[in-house]
Amino acid sequence: QVQLQESGPGLVKPSETLSLTCIVSGGSISYYWSWIRQPPGKGLEWIGYIHYTGSTKYNPSLKSRVTMSVDTSKNQFSLKLSSVTAADTALYYCARSDWKMGLDVWGLGTTVTVSS
Amino acid sequence: SFVLAQPPSASVAPGQTATITCGGNNIGRKSVHWYQQKPGQAPVLVVYDDRDRPSGIPERFSGSNSGNTATLTISRVEAGDEADYYCQVWESSSDHVVFGGGTQLSVL
Repeated sequence: QVQLQESGPGLVKPSETLSLTCIVSGGSISYYWSWIRQPPGKGLEWIGYIHYTGSTKYNPSLKSRVTMSVDTSKNQFSLKLSSVTAADTALYYCARSDWKMGLDVWGLGTTVTVSS
Repeated sequence: SFVLAQPPSASVAPGQTATITCGGNNIGRKSVHWYQQKPGQAPVLVVYDDRDRPSGIPERFSGSNSGNTATLTISRVEAGDEADYYCQVWESSSDHVVFGGGTQLSVL
């Protein structure tokens, strides 16, 4: 059974770059993979997705600050969000994505706080 | 960009039927997915492609989609169904994923 595990620093300083990795275990990485975030007490926001071939699509509201990458040899993919502010404080999830099947596998999420 | 509109809250008595709507322009032409999120937990897919259920999801969860409204229906509601519910589509024209704002379901 496919499992996802997010990892990365829980605290990032304002103006710096947030970096997270999602490890895929128990299955193939040959899918689309999304990053989603949820600010405290708010709803889900899609950040973007990456295909295992490396193609990406980002939320227009974050596009200028987002970079996603994939490492198929390690069965993992990553998120970088630059120039962070307090508004980027959130619970960050990775999820397997398909237009017809939905986001059917989610990681447990990792909390990132932006603070000096 | 495509917008999905959900009522912020809904309430239902145990044993009754809960209906949660998701509005969007011609949403009936898209595949709609629904997620359940309980406090402190990651979202769980409960309905995909308008009306299909992943394995392990009770038959009490069903979906429909037509015109400008998609609907998640929960029959014989239980206390454990109390959660936030989100609809989601993959917007084909922009190739973006879009979530609704979420509906908090209270079981009275």
